[in-house]
Amino acid sequence: DIQLTQSPSFLSASVGDRVTITCRASQDISRFLAWYQQKPGEAPKLLIYATSTLQSGVPSRFSGSGSGTEFTLTISSLQPEDFATYYCQQLNSFPITFGQGTRLEIK
Amino acid sequence: EVQVVESGGGLVQPGGSLRLSCAVSGLTFSSHWMSWVRQAPGKGLEWVANIKEGGSEKYYVDSVKGRFTVSRDNAKNSLYLQMNSLRAEDTAVYYCVSRDAKTHYMDVWGKGTTVTVSS
Repeated sequence: DIQLTQSPSFLSASVGDRVTITCRASQDISRFLAWYQQKPGEAPKLLIYATSTLQSGVPSRFSGSGSGTEFTLTISSLQPEDFATYYCQQLNSFPITFGQGTRLEIK
Repeated sequence: EVQVVESGGGLVQPGGSLRLSCAVSGLTFSSHWMSWVRQAPGKGLEWVANIKEGGSEKYYVDSVKGRFTVSRDNAKNSLYLQMNSLRAEDTAVYYCVSRDAKTHYMDVWGKGTTVTVSS
């Protein structure tokens, strides 16, 4: 199985900050990676797919990059509504796996 | 607007069975792979099962193989998850997820239905 390790697991930041979350895969997954945002009590929301393609309706302050085994999600200027938990997910091979999550909180 | 609505969750004893249903509207259901994803209380996301558009291909996470069965009825725009031999560790919110017809990424999620396995 492909393991995805996110870092950091917890991040404290302020509105307006630029933040980056990293997702490392245990083996090459090409660019078959997605990022999700989940707020408490809600279902996850697809933000980015295929490493860097922004899902329709997602603000342009979100961006993704990477390939192979290392990927990043960047939020260029944090907004109050961005404080949530973020997960990466690989679809390169079965079983589909998720990272353990990065909880982003307000400093 | 695409809508995905799960139902069928509840409290069940260890070893028991439960069948989850998912009603999908607003898209051509028969053109989309579908998935079940679960989230145990306070934990991360875990993919459970996939089913191809016509139902001919199914995939499961190892921990549910032989116990869970995913199926679909394209005439009813519905997805199902039959869960047998339930264990405490199956306790979770179960999400029904529609996969984009071209990219296959999980783009539309239901609100989830809660399954609690406890005596």
